[in-house]
Amino acid sequence: QSALTQPASVSGSPGQSITISCTGTSSDVGGYNYVSWYQQEAGKAPKLMIYDVSNRPSGVSNRFSGSKSGNTASLTISGLQADDEADYYCSSYTISSTCVFGTGTKVTVL
Amino acid sequence: EVQLVESGGGLAQPGRSLRLSCTASGFIFGDYGMSWVRQAPGKGLEWVGFIRSKAYGGRTEYAASVKGRFTISRDDSKSIAYLQMNSLKTEDTAVYYCTRVGGGYSYGPRVGYLDSWGQGNLVTVSS
Repeated sequence: QSALTQPASVSGSPGQSITISCTGTSSDVGGYNYVSWYQQEAGKAPKLMIYDVSNRPSGVSNRFSGSKSGNTASLTISGLQADDEADYYCSSYTISSTCVFGTGTKVTVL
Repeated sequence: EVQLVESGGGLAQPGRSLRLSCTASGFIFGDYGMSWVRQAPGKGLEWVGFIRSKAYGGRTEYAASVKGRFTISRDDSKSIAYLQMNSLKTEDTAVYYCTRVGGGYSYGPRVGYLDSWGQGNLVTVSS
């Protein structure tokens, strides 16, 4: 199972909106509504931000939103803040009953 | 509060074995699937495998990179999940995270998302 494809880096100024893409295939992202997104700050364990494509766990800011179209899922961060600077990973359930992560995206707040 | 605490990591030689433990608290352990994820130094996240709850037969799934070498098991009476790693390779060097599969029984037998993570435990495979 190949890793899902994400851009290596995305940047934006405070207050702006940015979008991170996550491209897979019909055997993972395109085939199921089980895409999730994780935020990993430097030196820390990842944290769930979005599950089942567009659901936010309790406690996660509504500035984070998710969507999916075909084989590509997206995470949008609106009203970008300094503490949003982190690595972000997407993940998807697969046709093999396994899980696959994306390659990861480093978000920089300018 | 959900807590997952990994233990058992450290240094191992290539070809040897190591067992990681994940002690859970703050939730009904038996109701949830448990999964392991690893992260090599400076690299991205890699899913390792997961074990379903007993309600779904306790069946396991693994990434191709570890299938046949790694085994995940669980002891619901102690709220502990295990990752037995055999025939270790240098490329298994990573921080290993224990995670809870979100949703519990009502979510079904799949590994849809990982809603709680341990602090991570470093495994170094080197001669």
